[in-house]
Amino acid sequence: ETGVTQTPRHLVMGMTNKKSLKCEQHLGHNAMYWYKQSAKKPLELMFVYSLEERVENNSVPSRFSPECPNSSHLFLHLHTLQPEDSALYLCASSQDRASWYGELFFGEGSRLTVL
Amino acid sequence: EDQVTQSPEALRLQEGESSSLNCSYTVSGLRGLFWYRQDPGKGPEFLFTLYSAGEEKEKERLKATLTKKESFLHITAPKPEDSATYLCAVQGGSQGNLIFGKGTKLSVKP
Repeated sequence: ETGVTQTPRHLVMGMTNKKSLKCEQHLGHNAMYWYKQSAKKPLELMFVYSLEERVENNSVPSRFSPECPNSSHLFLHLHTLQPEDSALYLCASSQDRASWYGELFFGEGSRLTVL
Repeated sequence: EDQVTQSPEALRLQEGESSSLNCSYTVSGLRGLFWYRQDPGKGPEFLFTLYSAGEEKEKERLKATLTKKESFLHITAPKPEDSATYLCAVQGGSQGNLIFGKGTKLSVKP
């Protein structure tokens, strides 16, 4: 496999469920990101990991919990979500977290629906 | 406040009808401006990086330009396969975060 792969592609969950989103990058990059994309809104940065260390948490509610066990894998654990959390969740990677990290490689996203 | 505004929100063109998309920005200390293409149901795909005013980049029918306040994505003789949402993002400010615009949805009819 090449690039950035995300699973599952679609997820429907109730507000009391616990689920996880998975991301894997095959590019040898050192930085990984979670973004949220909602209709009519710009992409919102959620978390940044650089060399497995979380370097940014963009005021995200605690019901979203990221995990980065190594530089190739990134998880987003979901717990007690709200309907307004329904969105497309995108994982991305970049060469590193240095100044020029705007060249991101995105996965195809996980479409989350919270009932 | 750092901000990125893209216009128009949506653009419908006939095949072969050239046009431009606009990305205006306000950011302290621009480090780079980025264009992405996003097809329905997929993640954004990186297109270009522009670093300084006057810079231009080209790829097939697309040409991106940058001034001190805005960037244009020119599409020459578009084809239906150019239909997508085009996202602009800037990197700058004290934290160097990437700030995205809402995108322009381009539809090219045959």
